[in-house]
Formats: sequence, structure tokens, C-alpha cells
Amino acid sequence: QSALTQPASVSGSPGQSITISCAGTTNYVGNYNLVSWYQQHPGKAPKLIIYEGSKRPSGVSTRFSGSKSGDTASLTISGLQTEDEADYYCCSYVAGSDYVFGTGTKVAVL
Amino acid sequence: QVQLVQSGSELKKPGASVKVSCKASGYTFTTHAINWVRQAPGQGLEWMGWINTNTGRPTYAQGFTGRFVFSLDTSVNTAVLQISSLKLEDTAVYYCARDVIRGVYNWFDPWGQGTLVTVSS
Repeated sequence: QSALTQPASVSGSPGQSITISCAGTTNYVGNYNLVSWYQQHPGKAPKLIIYEGSKRPSGVSTRFSGSKSGDTASLTISGLQTEDEADYYCCSYVAGSDYVFGTGTKVAVL
Repeated sequence: QVQLVQSGSELKKPGASVKVSCKASGYTFTTHAINWVRQAPGQGLEWMGWINTNTGRPTYAQGFTGRFVFSLDTSVNTAVLQISSLKLEDTAVYYCARDVIRGVYNWFDPWGQGTLVTVSS
């Protein structure tokens, strides 16, 4: 049973902005911003797109941004493009404990 | 470049065992833990646990104790996942992922390409 809850699906038109939420317990999301985000295209391995809550790895589009408010982390995709159609997962870590993934969100570009 | 390359797909019968390997390159193998993640067909990602590549000590998530074993072959920079007494519900893609730590922050980067394990009679 996952401790991080995401919406099952989010959709938007090309050029729009969408936000995916990742709601969790204080231990997982509320302290610091320990959340990372992963993009997974069908049949492919997940790829890191946000770490330390809001930082982007080199090569990841600036259209992806991460934030946190209270016990909810969020991923925003601005200027939505067809290539953004994928599944997105948040993930958090608690020192001395374990990792937990969010339930996953399918993004559709209409 | 930093890379994890996993072994190929496996088809096994119930009750058999399987080994999935994850070969690292492009960095010092013993400086980053390796995590294992399961993805059942049509389902989300599930963290299975990790192995300390410096000490060889494994840590298993709930639900992955007993039949699941993480090990290393440091001579060839490879982590290995072994699953014994396979069940139909073990059918999944198994990923390895390098653990990156910075202060209190952790994340997975990169990931292996995944290994499909199919259990069928």
C-alpha cells in the first residue's frame, strides 16, 4: 500500500500547463522536500526529471518544475507537448526507513 | 557515461528460480547503492529494497523478504536479484536503479532498462 497518492490521470491540450499532485504523510513529504519525480514512457524505463523536490537534472526540459506545499508535492508541466504523454511517479525517502513511490499519473495530451 | 545494463528477459515455470543481473559502468561501483524496483503488468512502481555496494548488506522492503535475495559480484561491478520459488504473481518487469545521495536527499539515477520475468506453466 503506497503512502503517496497521485491522481490516476491528468490531461491537457498542447501548450497548456498541468499539475500532478503527490499527497503523503508528514514523514514522507512534509519534512524537507525529499520528493523526486520520474517520467516513464510506455515500454521504457523510468527517467529522473526532478530531484530534491525542485531541481532538474541536466538535459531535462525547463518546462518541468517541482514544488511543495504542506504535505503535498507537485509536478507542473508547462507548455504541454505530445512527447510529454507518459506516466509520472513521485517518490520519497525517509532516512533510516525506506523509499515509497506514488500511485502514478497518466498524462494525456488531447 | 553512467549506465546500468540488465540481463535479458526470462520465462520460468512456477517453483523455479531466476537471477536478474545489473551491470554498472561509468562510475565507481562501490560508492552508490543499487535499488530494485518491480513493476507488474499495467501497474505502478514498487520499491523492493536496496543493497549497499560497499558492504554487501541488503535491505528488503515489506513483502520482499524470504524469496528475494540481493547480492553483488563486485569483480564485475554487477548487482544480482535472485527470486526463488517463483509464483505466477512474480511476473513483472524488474528494474535496478542507482541510489544518489546528497545530504538528506536521495533519488534514483540512472535506471537499468528493465528485465521482464514471466512466470507461466
